[in-house]
Amino acid sequence: AQKITQTQPGMFVQEKEAVTLDCTYDTSDPSYGLFWYKQPSSGEMIFLIYQGSYDQQNATEGRYSLNFQKARKSANLVISASQLGDSAMYFCAMREGRAGNNRKLIWGLGTSLAVNP
Amino acid sequence: ETGVTQSPTHLIKTRGQQVTLRCSSQSGHNTVSWYQQALGQGPQFIFQYYREEENGRGNFPPRFSGLQFPNYSSELNVNALELDDSALYLCASSSRGGGLAYNEQFFGPGTRLTVL
Repeated sequence: AQKITQTQPGMFVQEKEAVTLDCTYDTSDPSYGLFWYKQPSSGEMIFLIYQGSYDQQNATEGRYSLNFQKARKSANLVISASQLGDSAMYFCAMREGRAGNNRKLIWGLGTSLAVNP
Repeated sequence: ETGVTQSPTHLIKTRGQQVTLRCSSQSGHNTVSWYQQALGQGPQFIFQYYREEENGRGNFPPRFSGLQFPNYSSELNVNALELDDSALYLCASSSRGGGLAYNEQFFGPGTRLTVL
């Protein structure tokens, strides 16, 4: 069974509009962390935002926010005011277990976002 | 602060050959993780090194091996290359402990390996 599911292979958004990228996850561990990374065509993974399973508030980092719905096991990324430079692959990833153990990341298949001028 | 670097950037090998990929971790980081990302896929965890010892391994055969050096840089070695080994190999460094909330992994630009 997939631990991280990203159901949108590709998304289009108009510049300056908001876009939501979906991510659902599956784990029985009460402690986990959810990450979103951006991967431009150059290949480097760029960290965007993190949400811990015990965090009470939804994470925000500038134009990025995470819509965390724990009961539904979803962690959707919201990008506000899209910019042309946001065009890239976006990956959702999960760490099972407490952060202190520095465990591996489990990744989804990604969503390709294209921002139109 | 120096970021994560990887070498070489691109590499072409033939089936059966051996390859060594290198990664220099970010200053102050003591943990290195390696991932394989096939075309159109998400990264797959290969293994992680912490203080020069393997600290977790994904579902990869023994011909994938690694090393971590005292300065925390790392190597990924792949023997008997197969066509399916063609992928982007990503190295990520992080700091275990230190009170960080989530041990963010910082990634290098990757090495693109093509096996012919």
